[in-house]
Amino acid sequence: DTEVTQTPKHLVMGMTNKKSLKCEQHMGHRAMYWYKQKAKKPPELMFVYSYEKLSINESVPSRFSPECPNSSLLNLHLHALQPEDSALYLCASSQLPGTGIPGELFFGEGSRLTVL
Amino acid sequence: DQQVKQNSPSLSVQEGRISILNCDYTNSMFDYFLWYKKYPAEGPTFLISISSIKDKNEDGRFTVFLNKSAKHLSLHIVPSQPGDSAVYFCAAPRWGSARQLTFGSGTQLTVLP
Repeated sequence: DTEVTQTPKHLVMGMTNKKSLKCEQHMGHRAMYWYKQKAKKPPELMFVYSYEKLSINESVPSRFSPECPNSSLLNLHLHALQPEDSALYLCASSQLPGTGIPGELFFGEGSRLTVL
Repeated sequence: DQQVKQNSPSLSVQEGRISILNCDYTNSMFDYFLWYKKYPAEGPTFLISISSIKDKNEDGRFTVFLNKSAKHLSLHIVPSQPGDSAVYFCAAPRWGSARQLTFGSGTQLTVLP
């Protein structure tokens, strides 16, 4: 199983809503990531989890709150977002440094978020 | 500071011909480079990689060349097929953290039948 599954595929929310994006992988990867991608731009790293602990936060606003309940699941909780937060949110997983191909990430299909 | 650059936002190639996608980098500490391919409404998928100790890596129709002195790498696709039409990103792991990728801005490849 080499899949990273993200739900929902599409999400529309108002600026006062609270919603969550979910990500699941069963490859035994102990590193998981959230990336944000705007149209015609490269993916931008938001958060990195290693062994279920937050290891990197790329100065992401607090209206985005990540959570890693276990080694297979990664959530991104959304609250009080702005219209400029509309983007494709990509989850990825990888083996930890020292194993596999450096930089090889397995991405999900993404959750397309629209904030009204 | 864009450390990985793809200066061509788009490229069109006839089916069966060679596609050459280019990437430049500024950080000489990068020791590994990867190419990812992305179709619309899908996540990026890893395509091919190269270590900085090599100057060429080949996998089927895909070959990546690395010129360290010029800080330049290129992806060659031969022969190009319509199914290769996608956005191609070059990427490099940040020094000190093998999994934090710095992506280039991407090149949209269109292979014309």
